[in-house]
Amino acid sequence: GESVGLHLPTLSVQEGDNSIINCAYSNSASDYFIWYKQESGKGPQFIIDIRSNMDKRQGQRVTVLLNKTVKHLSLQIAATQPGDSAVYFCVSGGIKAAGNKLTFGGGTRVLVKP
Amino acid sequence: DSGVTQTPKHLITATGQRVTLRCSPRSGDLSVYWYQQSLDQGLQFLIQYYNGEERAKGNILERFSAQQFPDLHSELNLSSLELGDSALYFCASSVPQQGALNYGYTFGSGTRLTVV
Repeated sequence: GESVGLHLPTLSVQEGDNSIINCAYSNSASDYFIWYKQESGKGPQFIIDIRSNMDKRQGQRVTVLLNKTVKHLSLQIAATQPGDSAVYFCVSGGIKAAGNKLTFGGGTRVLVKP
Repeated sequence: DSGVTQTPKHLITATGQRVTLRCSPRSGDLSVYWYQQSLDQGLQFLIQYYNGEERAKGNILERFSAQQFPDLHSELNLSSLELGDSALYFCASSVPQQGALNYGYTFGSGTRLTVV
């Protein structure tokens, strides 16, 4: 079956620095990837997604990089702020929606130090 | 407000009891997904419904069941509860049409179940 894993369970970052969260996926058929952010006691929130026909996508202070050759995904957060403290999940799945179950990775906790 | 509504927000019950968690998907979404999240753990997929029919099943115990009603709201029933069932239970909904492009899930804020 498919697995989506994360390299680091916890990432401590100084406020203002850039954060990089890495993720590996195993199913080469996956063609849609998402990063979710989950703050304590809340449901996961969509941050950014990328489709397999792209290798980079930028949002507001976030950039997702996709390397299909090595099946690796990363999330870069620029100028990390205290509000970025959360657990981040990478998710993979198919680009067609109906019937598709997205696979969640185990999560990386980001702790922002003041 | 994500548009996905889950009730109740908190639930405390005794072992051996049965509870029902409710989810109203975002307007227009036909797919509903249930996830379980234990303390400091990842999200475990339980079950998916699409337009009233079960579509996919994950690590859902036989003591647990779910259904999706004609108005598309869904209920997750947990019976013969054990201490280990204490967790956050999330519902998510997604893009409706067959063949539509995936835009990920929209999650509710969850139900925190405590079994004592």
